[in-house]
Amino acid sequence: GESVGLHLPTLSVQEGDNSIINCAYSNSASDYFIWYKQESGKGPQFIIDIRSNMDKRQGQRVTVLLNKTVKHLSLQIAATQPGDSAVYFCAENINGGSQGNLIFGKGTKLSVKP
Amino acid sequence: DTGVSQDPRHKITKRGQNVTFRCDPISEHNRLYWYRQTLGQGPEFLTYFQNEAQLEKSRLLSDRFSAERPKGSFSTLEIQRTEQGDSAMYLCASSSLTGTANSPLHFGNGTRLTVT
Repeated sequence: GESVGLHLPTLSVQEGDNSIINCAYSNSASDYFIWYKQESGKGPQFIIDIRSNMDKRQGQRVTVLLNKTVKHLSLQIAATQPGDSAVYFCAENINGGSQGNLIFGKGTKLSVKP
Repeated sequence: DTGVSQDPRHKITKRGQNVTFRCDPISEHNRLYWYRQTLGQGPEFLTYFQNEAQLEKSRLLSDRFSAERPKGSFSTLEIQRTEQGDSAMYLCASSSLTGTANSPLHFGNGTRLTVT
C-alpha cells in the first residue's frame, strides 16, 4: 500500500486566512519530502521540498514542517489567495531524493472562498 | 517556454489500438520520468531514465507498455493493445542529478488518454 497519505481530503478556507495541509508518511527510511500543487488540467507544480536533516523550511508564503518522530509533514500557506485553489500532494523519496520512485499521497483539495 | 513538453495533450483511442506519447524534458535535465495519474489519485511512478538508460520500472508497467529515450533527450511511451483500464493522465517529469543530489521533479501537463 501507499506509505504517504493525507489527513483531510478537502479543505475550505477564507481568502486571507492561513491554510495548513497535513500529510502522514509511514516509511521511516524516507528522507526527502516534497509538496506539489496541481491545478485542473495541469501537471503537478513544485512548491517546496525538505530533507530530513531539517524540520522547517520556508519559501514565499509557504512553510513546510517535518516531524520525523511522528512521521508527519505539513504545508502552511500564509494569506491564502483564490489562486491557491488546487489539489496539493505530498510525496516522499529515499536517499535524499536521488531515487527515481517518488511516492505520492492522494492529495488534498484546497478551496479558497472570496 | 522551457518547461517539460508533452504531446499530444489528449488522445482518444479504441480498445486494442496502439498509442505513443512523446515527452521533451527540460534541456539540461539528465533524468526523465513517466507517471500515471487517475482521477482523484496522486501520480503513480511507471519508469525513469538517466540519460538513455532505463534504470527502474514499476510493476504497473505491464509488458504492453514500453518506454524509450534513445538519445538521452526526448522520450516516448508506447502502449500496445490498449485496454479501458489504461485510461488515465500520463505525466512526464524531468530532473537533474548532480552527484547524489537530485533536483525536484518538474512535470509536464500530461497526455490524457481515453480508451473507448
